[in-house]
Amino acid sequence: GQQLNQSPQSMFIQEGEDVSMNCTSSSIFNTWLWYKQEPGEGPVLLIALYKAGELTSNGRLTAQFGITRKDSFLNISASIPSDVGIYFCAGRTGTASKLTFGTGTRLQVTL
Amino acid sequence: NAGVMQNPRHLVRRRGQEARLRCSPMKGHSHVYWYRQLPEEGLKFMVYLQKENIIDESGMPKERFSAEFPKEGPSILRIQQVVRGDSAAYFCASSPRGRGEKLFFGSGTQLSVL
Repeated sequence: GQQLNQSPQSMFIQEGEDVSMNCTSSSIFNTWLWYKQEPGEGPVLLIALYKAGELTSNGRLTAQFGITRKDSFLNISASIPSDVGIYFCAGRTGTASKLTFGTGTRLQVTL
Repeated sequence: NAGVMQNPRHLVRRRGQEARLRCSPMKGHSHVYWYRQLPEEGLKFMVYLQKENIIDESGMPKERFSAEFPKEGPSILRIQQVVRGDSAAYFCASSPRGRGEKLFFGSGTQLSVL
């Protein structure tokens, strides 16, 4: 089945630094979504991407839908302590309704 | 503007008992998805339902697990004769339509099997 690999697996950064993470797949996806999950809560949608090459921002977050349609990238600029959490990519192939989730990137921000 | 509501938040069951997890989708949403998350892992798809119909149950174990989304009332994920390996967080998500739509998640039910 489809598998989404996220890297890095975890990151420890200082407040104010920029963050980059990515998600790669062996299959082509038609939709990419990025979610953030905090302890004890469900994932919260951050950004949705629908076209190859699309670049979309949501405040300090910017995500891109890779040209090959097999990858996506998420950048967070000027990180703050409340950015702490696990970031998941999720993708949907052409005819499927379900989302396939990545393995997650755990972000820790130190003061 | 209530989001996706799941209850209970925490459920403790002994081996062999039944677990019933409930999910009320966002207002206006008629599509419901159930996902399972083990500690330190991503979310794994279980089942996708529309009102009164199961659309895709490819991620659901063939035995002991069932799901429904009746015309009236919440969606129910039912696990019969629970085993320790069923311990996980179960998340429900909803969308207004099917393909191509964003999914909005509830806060989950943490199932612990003793």
